[in-house]
Amino acid sequence: KAGVTQTPRYLIKTRGQQVTLSCSPISGHRSVSWYQQTPGQGLQFLFEYFSETQRNKGNFPGRFSGRQFSNSRSEMNVSTLELGDSALYLCASSSAPGGQETQYFGPGTRLLVL
Amino acid sequence: TQLLEQSPQFLSIQEGENLTVYCNSSSVFSSLQWYRQEPGEGPVLLVTVVTGGEVKKLKRLTFQFGDARKDSSLHITAAQPGDTGLYLCAGAPGSNYKLTFGKGTLLTVNP
Repeated sequence: KAGVTQTPRYLIKTRGQQVTLSCSPISGHRSVSWYQQTPGQGLQFLFEYFSETQRNKGNFPGRFSGRQFSNSRSEMNVSTLELGDSALYLCASSSAPGGQETQYFGPGTRLLVL
Repeated sequence: TQLLEQSPQFLSIQEGENLTVYCNSSSVFSSLQWYRQEPGEGPVLLVTVVTGGEVKKLKRLTFQFGDARKDSSLHITAAQPGDTGLYLCAGAPGSNYKLTFGKGTLLTVNP
């Protein structure tokens, strides 16, 4: 079974721009969660989607949004980028929603905002 | 306030030494998970502990879940350079809650 894939792997943007990141979950998994990882804050939950519906949302501003498609692929969008948005963005897929099932992480997208 | 506190934050040891890292919380968790993350990769699940007092072994790694299900520890025996990485604990208070991660322990095992 192929693992979780994320594209692109690396991205450089400037302040004020917007960015879209993509995540393809493991085949058969319908839950996709997104996390932001920084050295200072660690892994912070952004949101979770299950069957195209957002089930949970973390404490991030409205500039961070996401969606999930009928094939379970997910995208997250960050608008009006700020320097502090520089981070590793990870997505994880699991067979069921919530925090009980094993989450399988992708390699992440490293975003640098200049 | 961090829901899950991990200690120590950094640990640098020599090959062959033993070590223990801790994951503590004031909240009760229905389960706790341990992950290892290597540079340039996402976290990989090592183990899930579910029952208070549970001990699980994975080769040289021993995981323990506290009786009150508020804390967990990871003990590595005879550490090897391949054990180097960021060790993360994560938990959720219940099945409908998001997974919360600690900030991790960055372990370096020197040959």
